[in-house]
Amino acid sequence: QTVVTQEPSLTVSPGGTVTLTCTSSAGPGTRGFYVNWLQQKPGQAPRALIFGTTYKHSWTPARFSGALLGGKPALTLSGVQPEDEAEYYCLLHHGDVWVFGGGTKVTVL
Amino acid sequence: QVQLVQSGAEVKKPGASVKISCKTSGYTFTSYYIHWVRQAPGRGLEWMGIINPPSGSATYAQNFQGRLIMTRDTSTSTVYMDLNSLTSEDTAFYFCARSYDDFDHWGQGTLVTVSS
Repeated sequence: QTVVTQEPSLTVSPGGTVTLTCTSSAGPGTRGFYVNWLQQKPGQAPRALIFGTTYKHSWTPARFSGALLGGKPALTLSGVQPEDEAEYYCLLHHGDVWVFGGGTKVTVL
Repeated sequence: QVQLVQSGAEVKKPGASVKISCKTSGYTFTSYYIHWVRQAPGRGLEWMGIINPPSGSATYAQNFQGRLIMTRDTSTSTVYMDLNSLTSEDTAFYFCARSYDDFDHWGQGTLVTVSS
């Protein structure tokens, strides 16, 4: 069974930059790395930020970007705002199934 | 506008089944997959499975094989998730999400509590 690992927690100062990564035990799937990134705040449903590893939704702030860094899916937050404090999940597509990472708690301090 | 509206909270006893609905509107029902995702209290997100509305065919995560069934009603644009043999470990929020690989719209979540 595929296991997807993320940093459990990261802290960033307002205005700073932070990069979250996503490591799959199965490596890239047949589509390469097809990754979604989602943000979840307490008591809310998840909200999609990035799909297809690098593509933003129309509502995704410009300060969020997705990429492959060193062959690993990554989400970078640049110019972090206080409202970016949240849990962030990567979601990978492997064959017929999708697998969530364990989530990264981003604290803005 | 696109909406996914889920049925209300449920309380079930161990061993029982629960069926949650996800009523969609604002788009062509048969053009997007629907996924189900759950989140136990204080835990991360867990992908449960996907249904293809035109055909009704579904794929389930290995953890739920044999006790999860997803169905759809094209006449009401509604997807259902039926989970049986419930245990306390199934206490969680359950979410439906629309996706053409992008998970762009989500239901509000349904809390299922399993308790004797």
